[in-house]
Amino acid sequence: DQQVKQNSPSLSVQEGRISILNCDYTNSMFDYFLWYKKYPAEGPTFLISISSIKDKNEDGRFTVFLNKSAKHLSLHIVPSQPGDSAVYFCAAMGTTSGTYKYIFGTGTRLKVLA
Amino acid sequence: DGGITQSPKYLFRKEGQNVTLSCEQNLNHDAMYWYRQDPGQGLRLIYYSQIVNDFQKGDIAEGYSVSREKKESFPLTVTSAQKNPTAFYLCASSIGSVGQPQHFGDGTRLSIL
Repeated sequence: DQQVKQNSPSLSVQEGRISILNCDYTNSMFDYFLWYKKYPAEGPTFLISISSIKDKNEDGRFTVFLNKSAKHLSLHIVPSQPGDSAVYFCAAMGTTSGTYKYIFGTGTRLKVLA
Repeated sequence: DGGITQSPKYLFRKEGQNVTLSCEQNLNHDAMYWYRQDPGQGLRLIYYSQIVNDFQKGDIAEGYSVSREKKESFPLTVTSAQKNPTAFYLCASSIGSVGQPQHFGDGTRLSIL
């Protein structure tokens, strides 16, 4: 059962425009949500996170929004740049028997067109 | 520079062989994780360890084994019991506190000859 879902496998955006990546989750007990960026043949790198008690977190061009009632979060990239082309994973963090675990979505491939 | 080192980057295995993937970190992180990534799928958790000499099975532990004898090292052995071992394997570490992100290595791609 997929607890974290990214329903769009790919997204193309023109350079300078906004990129919006979406993520849905099913478990209301998650404590934190994180976004990672991954280039081919490399490991994911952390981008931005948000606590479950907040609804927005911003870091430069990246903003994450959390809608707890809808169990939905989104990552906004403004303005989009060609270097942003990568696969983006959302992840949810929760505890199981006192141990922190991260559950990842399947990823969205973003292509920013010059 | 602190980070996570996975080796080798590419690994080939014959049918019936065990192979061990190395993961070393110098971030002084307590928690370490192994994930498997297949095409079109997210990262699936194989094993994780919160402290030295202790580890737990993740969602897809069958056919894999780990050890955590040192804080810096968390090797993964892919045994002959793993029927479909061809995949991209990622090691990660974290401080182990709520809200702290994981840091990932660059992965090992395992292929069966």
